Amino acid sequence: KNEVEQSPQNLTAQEGEFITINCSYSVGISALHWLQQHPGGGIVSLFMLSSGKKKHGRLIATINIQEKHSSLHITASHPRDSAVYICAVNPTGNQFYFGTGTSLTVIP
Amino acid sequence: ETGVTQTPRHLVMGMTNKKSLKCEQHLGHNAMYWYKQSAKKPLELMFVYNFKEQTENNSVPSRFSPECPNSSHLFLHLHTLQPEDSALYLCASSSGLAGVDTQYFGPGTRLTVL
Repeated sequence: KNEVEQSPQNLTAQEGEFITINCSYSVGISALHWLQQHPGGGIVSLFMLSSGKKKHGRLIATINIQEKHSSLHITASHPRDSAVYICAVNPTGNQFYFGTGTSLTVIP
Repeated sequence: ETGVTQTPRHLVMGMTNKKSLKCEQHLGHNAMYWYKQSAKKPLELMFVYNFKEQTENNSVPSRFSPECPNSSHLFLHLHTLQPEDSALYLCASSSGLAGVDTQYFGPGTRLTVL
């Protein structure tokens, strides 16, 4: 069983829709990361958070440490948001566990 | 623009070949990582170097050999690979400070083993 579980695995939305991607993990962590991977492989770090909520433009990330759960929200989704979104947890030091990713397609 | 570069971007090699992947970071980081990404599987951490010392080696076969000559450069030497080693190999770097590490990824090398 993977230490990090994401849902859904695949998501298709119409442009403008509000999107939520969920991440649950089973280990104690010092930080949780949301990553975005575009076709072709390049990965960009979107958020690193250890408590509460962070907002960056149309992206919002929340974490509940007690419930070992995080969500990534995209408001007013756009076709350029189409990518794979990966949740990763950092228990300690250089150790990282990754989810399998959520493939998002936003249709115009 | 990413501060982590990888070369080559694409590599096709036979099982008897020897090749090397190169990663370079321009971010002043002290930790560098090699990951393998296979289709439909989570990213797999292969090796970690922190201040040029290898701190993680996740049971990677010996046909993969990492080298970190300094904190800005990381190599992955490949020899006698198998077709199942075909994957995207990603390099990343971070500050190396425990618990506050955001990783910055390179664009990856798409490796095909024939």
